Amino acid sequence: AQSVTQLGSHVSVSEGALVLLRCNYSSSVPPYLFWYVQYPNQGLQLLLKYTTGATLVKGINGFEAEFKKSETSFHLTKPSAHMSDAAEYFCAVNPSNTGNQFYFGTGTSLTVIP
Amino acid sequence: DAGITQSPRHKVTETGTPVTLRCHQTENHRYMYWYRQDPGHGLRLIHYSYGVKDTDKGEVSDGYSVSRSKTEDFLLTLESATSSQTSVYFCAISEGRDSPGANVLTFGAGSRLTVL
Repeated sequence: AQSVTQLGSHVSVSEGALVLLRCNYSSSVPPYLFWYVQYPNQGLQLLLKYTTGATLVKGINGFEAEFKKSETSFHLTKPSAHMSDAAEYFCAVNPSNTGNQFYFGTGTSLTVIP
Repeated sequence: DAGITQSPRHKVTETGTPVTLRCHQTENHRYMYWYRQDPGHGLRLIHYSYGVKDTDKGEVSDGYSVSRSKTEDFLLTLESATSSQTSVYFCAISEGRDSPGANVLTFGAGSRLTVL
């Protein structure tokens, strides 16, 4: 069975502080991994993705994530939070053996404190 | 929204009435998906399609049916709406794992459904 766990449904950081959003997955095969962001009353936008190759991937708006196979993790980070980063963040996996299904975590709401 | 249109964007209906949500894409992507988004649950897959007339169930398919008669259109039908189906519904598309775009899932803007 596939599952995605996002630790912490709500995370608050001060403006300028490090952002760390955690994602762990279970998959019997190496999956593609994604982070999406959702601003209020909008659809989901792709932040970054990992498919193969370099395990540290960079995305939009200064975000990056590192795929750690041994830890089955794909944590999202940003060195310095900005007010505009306040949003809901979703981790997703796309295993290769599930008919191209995507599985999402329950999301982490990021609040940035001025 | 990258060539994906959902309609209607907002709908209020009564328990027991049928409801159809439409997703239209102009990207010619093979895969289309319907998700529902609820607080505390994230996004849950209802149904998806891997080609014209080819569909399969997701994890929360009870009470929903889908149809895909053309590549560009994917319809989600609630035969008899219930209050538990009040949610925000998102359509998404992807090219598939063999695509140069690395199988990114692209979302529509969402359809907010309220069942009274």
